[in-house]
Amino acid sequence: QVQLQESGPGLVKPSDTLSLTCAVSDYSISSSNWWGWIRQPPGKGLEWIGSIYYSGSIYYNPSLKSRVTMSVDTSKNQFSLKLSSVTAVDTAVYYCARTGDSSGYYFDYWGQGTLVTVSS
Amino acid sequence: QSALTQPASVSGSPGQSITISCTGTSSDVGSYNYVSWYQQHPGKAPKLMIYDVTNRPSGVSNRFSGSKSGNTASLTISGLQAEDEADYYCSSYTSSSPLVFGGGTKLTVL
Repeated sequence: QVQLQESGPGLVKPSDTLSLTCAVSDYSISSSNWWGWIRQPPGKGLEWIGSIYYSGSIYYNPSLKSRVTMSVDTSKNQFSLKLSSVTAVDTAVYYCARTGDSSGYYFDYWGQGTLVTVSS
Repeated sequence: QSALTQPASVSGSPGQSITISCTGTSSDVGSYNYVSWYQQHPGKAPKLMIYDVTNRPSGVSNRFSGSKSGNTASLTISGLQAEDEADYYCSSYTSSSPLVFGGGTKLTVL
């Protein structure tokens, strides 16, 4: 059973960089799956942020691309998200997830999510 | 990048069938068989219910089925149960992104 666990600060100041890590357990991050970040503002819908393959290939949501950086650490079996110049609109529950196959177009395992609040 | 269009809410009585629509364009739903559906209960992470338009992951009830016609995909839940009350989101590959979610639909079981 694949397990994903998000970690990182729950409070970030405006204009700072949001940094989150997703630790993957009981499954190799170097397998033929993509790994993604999805966020959900309080009371709102899901927004795909980006997806990364263990080799380093990356796709970003065009609306966030200028502020997003994703990376993968195969030695630690984890991947990370950085979102720069955050504002209140970036307040959301951030989920990490695994895609079901090498196509990368659906997520079959999700972390529990972590709430990140942007406030001074 | 525009979100896929879903009805804000649908409702049905126990035992009935309901259908949730997900309307996109020829750049996403209409041209690719990469539509997926997720169920989300309050305070919980989304759960994959359907992938690649019609496929059901292992462990998902066969009361859930997916289909597509033109630019619109649909999720049908038959034999509605109280536990089906949740938010439902569709997602599709899109040539410009490559992933986009729908705005979500709140299902109420009366």
